[in-house]
Amino acid sequence: RKEVEQDPGPFNVPEGATVAFNCTYSNSASQSFFWYRQDCRKEPKLLMSVYSSGNEDGRFTAQLNRASQYISLLIRDSKLSDSATYLCVVNFPEGGGFKTIFGAGTRLFVKA
Amino acid sequence: SQTIHQWPATLVQPVGSPLSLECTVEGTSNPNLYWYRQAAGRGLQLLFYSVGIGQISSEVPQNLSASRPQDRQFILSSKKLLLSDSGFYLCAWSARRDSDLNTEAFFGQGTRLTVV
Repeated sequence: RKEVEQDPGPFNVPEGATVAFNCTYSNSASQSFFWYRQDCRKEPKLLMSVYSSGNEDGRFTAQLNRASQYISLLIRDSKLSDSATYLCVVNFPEGGGFKTIFGAGTRLFVKA
Repeated sequence: SQTIHQWPATLVQPVGSPLSLECTVEGTSNPNLYWYRQAAGRGLQLLFYSVGIGQISSEVPQNLSASRPQDRQFILSSKKLLLSDSGFYLCAWSARRDSDLNTEAFFGQGTRLTVV
Protein backbone atom coordinates (compact mmCIF):
# COMPACT_ATOMS: atom_id res chain seq x y z
CA ARG A 1 0.00 0.00 0.00
CA LYS A 2 1.31 3.46 -0.88
CA GLU A 3 2.00 5.77 2.03
CA VAL A 4 -0.17 8.50 0.53
CA GLU A 5 -2.90 7.85 -2.03
CA GLN A 6 -5.00 10.36 -3.91
CA ASP A 7 -7.93 10.38 -6.29
CA PRO A 8 -6.59 9.43 -9.71
CA GLY A 9 -8.10 12.36 -11.63
CA PRO A 10 -8.05 14.20 -13.90
CA PHE A 11 -11.01 16.28 -12.87
CA ASN A 12 -12.58 18.33 -15.64
CA VAL A 13 -15.01 20.92 -14.27
CA PRO A 14 -16.67 24.10 -15.53
CA GLU A 15 -15.94 27.47 -14.02
CA GLY A 16 -17.94 28.03 -10.87
CA ALA A 17 -18.16 24.35 -9.98
CA THR A 18 -17.29 22.89 -6.61
CA VAL A 19 -14.72 20.10 -6.66
CA ALA A 20 -13.40 17.87 -3.90
CA PHE A 21 -10.16 15.92 -3.71
CA ASN A 22 -9.55 13.07 -1.32
CA CYS A 23 -6.37 11.61 0.09
CA THR A 24 -5.64 8.71 2.44
CA TYR A 25 -2.45 7.97 4.32
CA SER A 26 -1.21 4.72 5.79
CA ASN A 27 1.10 5.77 8.63
CA SER A 28 -0.89 6.36 11.80
CA ALA A 29 2.07 8.26 13.26
CA SER A 30 1.62 10.99 10.67
CA GLN A 31 1.54 14.33 12.37
CA SER A 32 1.21 17.13 9.88
CA PHE A 33 -0.62 17.46 6.63
CA PHE A 34 -0.64 19.83 3.70
CA TRP A 35 -2.04 20.47 0.28
CA TYR A 36 0.37 21.69 -2.36
CA ARG A 37 -0.32 23.02 -5.81
CA GLN A 38 1.92 22.32 -8.78
CA ASP A 39 1.63 24.16 -12.05
CA CYS A 40 2.87 22.56 -15.24
CA ARG A 41 6.66 22.22 -15.30
CA LYS A 42 7.05 24.11 -12.03
CA GLU A 43 7.97 23.14 -8.49
CA PRO A 44 5.17 22.42 -5.98
CA LYS A 45 4.14 25.25 -3.70
CA LEU A 46 2.23 25.16 -0.46
CA LEU A 47 -1.48 25.80 -0.85
CA MET A 48 -2.54 25.29 2.74
CA SER A 49 -1.82 23.33 5.87
CA VAL A 50 -4.48 20.97 7.15
CA TYR A 51 -5.42 21.28 10.80
CA SER A 52 -7.31 18.81 12.96
CA SER A 53 -10.30 21.11 13.30
CA GLY A 54 -10.45 21.79 9.57
CA ASN A 55 -9.53 25.09 8.05
CA GLU A 56 -10.64 27.42 5.33
CA ASP A 57 -8.80 29.90 3.16
CA GLY A 58 -11.11 31.78 0.86
CA ARG A 59 -12.59 29.30 -1.60
CA PHE A 60 -10.48 26.45 -0.26
CA THR A 61 -11.44 24.20 2.66
CA ALA A 62 -9.27 21.43 4.06
CA GLN A 63 -10.46 18.67 6.36
CA LEU A 64 -8.61 16.02 8.34
CA ASN A 65 -10.07 12.81 9.75
CA ARG A 66 -7.39 11.13 11.85
CA ALA A 67 -9.54 8.13 12.71
CA SER A 68 -10.01 7.28 9.04
CA GLN A 69 -6.57 8.63 8.03
CA TYR A 70 -8.21 10.78 5.42
CA ILE A 71 -7.63 14.32 4.16
CA SER A 72 -9.77 16.33 1.79
CA LEU A 73 -9.61 19.58 -0.15
CA LEU A 74 -12.73 21.37 -1.33
CA ILE A 75 -12.57 24.13 -3.92
CA ARG A 76 -15.66 26.27 -4.33
CA ASP A 77 -16.48 28.54 -7.26
CA SER A 78 -13.66 27.13 -9.40
CA LYS A 79 -11.65 29.58 -11.49
CA LEU A 80 -9.72 28.95 -14.67
CA SER A 81 -6.58 29.76 -12.69
CA ASP A 82 -7.26 26.83 -10.34
CA SER A 83 -6.19 24.44 -13.11
CA ALA A 84 -3.16 22.65 -11.72
CA THR A 85 -2.11 19.45 -10.00
CA TYR A 86 -2.98 19.23 -6.31
CA LEU A 87 -0.68 17.19 -4.11
CA CYS A 88 -1.56 15.75 -0.74
CA VAL A 89 1.41 15.77 1.66
CA VAL A 90 2.00 13.96 4.92
CA ASN A 91 4.81 14.34 7.45
CA PHE A 92 5.69 11.68 9.97
CA PRO A 93 8.61 11.42 12.35
CA GLU A 94 11.40 9.12 11.35
CA GLY A 95 15.08 8.90 12.15
CA GLY A 96 15.14 11.98 14.34
CA GLY A 97 13.54 14.16 11.70
CA PHE A 98 10.45 14.27 9.55
CA LYS A 99 9.83 12.31 6.43
CA THR A 100 7.71 14.21 3.92
CA ILE A 101 5.73 12.07 1.54
CA PHE A 102 3.75 13.40 -1.40
CA GLY A 103 0.79 11.81 -3.07
CA ALA A 104 0.94 11.32 -6.81
CA GLY A 105 -1.30 14.35 -7.30
CA THR A 106 -4.67 14.98 -8.84
CA ARG A 107 -4.92 17.06 -11.97
CA LEU A 108 -7.67 19.63 -12.18
CA PHE A 109 -8.81 21.29 -15.41
CA VAL A 110 -11.25 24.15 -15.05
CA LYS A 111 -12.91 25.12 -18.31
CA ALA A 112 -14.83 28.19 -19.37
CA SER B 1 14.69 34.66 4.94
CA GLN B 2 15.36 31.16 3.78
CA THR B 3 16.16 30.32 0.18
CA ILE B 4 16.97 27.15 -1.67
CA HIS B 5 19.14 26.98 -4.74
CA GLN B 6 19.20 24.10 -7.14
CA TRP B 7 21.20 23.78 -10.31
CA PRO B 8 21.39 23.30 -13.20
CA ALA B 9 17.84 24.04 -14.34
CA THR B 10 18.10 21.89 -17.43
CA LEU B 11 20.48 19.08 -18.29
CA VAL B 12 20.84 16.72 -21.23
CA GLN B 13 23.18 13.82 -20.61
CA PRO B 14 24.07 10.70 -22.62
CA VAL B 15 23.35 7.24 -21.27
CA GLY B 16 26.23 5.99 -19.18
CA SER B 17 27.50 9.41 -18.22
CA PRO B 18 27.83 10.54 -14.58
CA LEU B 19 25.47 12.97 -12.86
CA SER B 20 25.86 15.51 -10.12
CA LEU B 21 23.02 17.79 -9.05
CA GLU B 22 23.59 20.23 -6.25
CA CYS B 23 21.23 21.88 -3.83
CA THR B 24 22.01 24.42 -1.15
CA VAL B 25 19.85 26.08 1.46
CA GLU B 26 20.43 29.49 3.00
CA GLY B 27 18.99 31.18 6.03
CA THR B 28 18.39 28.13 8.18
CA SER B 29 20.42 25.51 9.99
CA ASN B 30 20.06 21.77 10.44
CA PRO B 31 17.24 21.39 7.92
CA ASN B 32 15.70 18.16 6.73
CA LEU B 33 16.70 17.81 3.09
CA TYR B 34 14.99 15.82 0.35
CA TRP B 35 15.48 14.73 -3.24
CA TYR B 36 12.36 13.91 -5.26
CA ARG B 37 11.91 12.82 -8.83
CA GLN B 38 8.88 13.40 -10.98
CA ALA B 39 8.62 11.48 -14.23
CA ALA B 40 6.58 13.04 -17.03
CA GLY B 41 2.91 13.13 -16.04
CA ARG B 42 3.59 11.36 -12.76
CA GLY B 43 3.63 12.27 -9.08
CA LEU B 44 6.57 13.05 -6.85
CA GLN B 45 8.69 10.10 -5.80
CA LEU B 46 10.86 10.51 -2.72
CA LEU B 47 14.39 9.36 -3.55
CA PHE B 48 16.47 10.37 -0.53
CA TYR B 49 16.08 12.33 2.65
CA SER B 50 18.56 13.51 5.22
CA VAL B 51 18.20 14.67 8.79
CA GLY B 52 21.83 15.67 9.23
CA ILE B 53 25.34 15.72 7.79
CA GLY B 54 26.28 12.31 6.47
CA GLN B 55 22.85 10.87 7.33
CA ILE B 56 21.08 9.70 4.19
CA SER B 57 18.02 7.49 3.89
CA SER B 58 17.32 5.92 0.54
CA GLU B 59 13.74 5.24 -0.39
CA VAL B 60 14.09 3.51 -3.73
CA PRO B 61 16.81 1.11 -4.88
CA GLN B 62 18.36 2.52 -8.02
CA ASN B 63 21.59 3.72 -9.54
CA LEU B 64 21.40 7.08 -7.81
CA SER B 65 23.10 8.13 -4.59
CA ALA B 66 22.98 11.19 -2.37
CA SER B 67 25.44 12.88 -0.07
CA ARG B 68 25.28 15.67 2.46
CA PRO B 69 28.83 16.93 2.94
CA GLN B 70 27.72 20.09 4.71
CA ASP B 71 24.70 21.00 6.80
CA ARG B 72 22.97 22.93 4.01
CA GLN B 73 24.27 21.10 0.95
CA PHE B 74 22.65 18.07 -0.63
CA ILE B 75 24.04 16.37 -3.72
CA LEU B 76 22.40 13.82 -5.98
CA SER B 77 24.77 11.67 -8.03
CA SER B 78 24.97 8.81 -10.43
CA LYS B 79 27.98 7.00 -11.84
CA LYS B 80 26.15 5.87 -15.00
CA LEU B 81 22.84 7.33 -16.10
CA LEU B 82 20.07 5.22 -17.56
CA LEU B 83 17.34 6.35 -19.94
CA SER B 84 14.85 5.76 -17.14
CA ASP B 85 16.61 8.38 -15.02
CA SER B 86 15.05 11.14 -17.12
CA GLY B 87 12.70 13.32 -15.14
CA PHE B 88 12.20 16.43 -13.10
CA TYR B 89 14.41 16.37 -9.99
CA LEU B 90 13.40 18.51 -7.07
CA CYS B 91 15.33 19.34 -3.94
CA ALA B 92 13.37 20.42 -0.89
CA TRP B 93 14.00 21.40 2.70
CA SER B 94 11.91 21.57 5.82
CA ALA B 95 12.69 22.95 9.24
CA ARG B 96 13.45 20.62 12.12
CA ARG B 97 11.24 21.69 14.96
CA ASP B 98 10.57 19.42 17.87
CA SER B 99 7.52 21.30 19.07
CA ASP B 100 5.95 22.68 15.92
CA LEU B 101 4.99 19.76 13.74
CA ASN B 102 3.60 21.77 10.85
CA THR B 103 6.89 21.79 8.99
CA GLU B 104 6.06 22.46 5.37
CA ALA B 105 8.56 21.64 2.65
CA PHE B 106 10.04 24.30 0.38
CA PHE B 107 11.23 23.38 -3.07
CA GLY B 108 14.00 24.46 -5.35
CA GLN B 109 13.04 25.24 -8.93
CA GLY B 110 14.04 21.79 -10.08
CA THR B 111 16.35 20.27 -12.66
CA ARG B 112 14.84 18.86 -15.80
CA LEU B 113 17.10 15.96 -16.78
CA THR B 114 16.89 14.27 -20.15
CA VAL B 115 19.02 11.20 -20.68
CA VAL B 116 19.60 10.52 -24.38
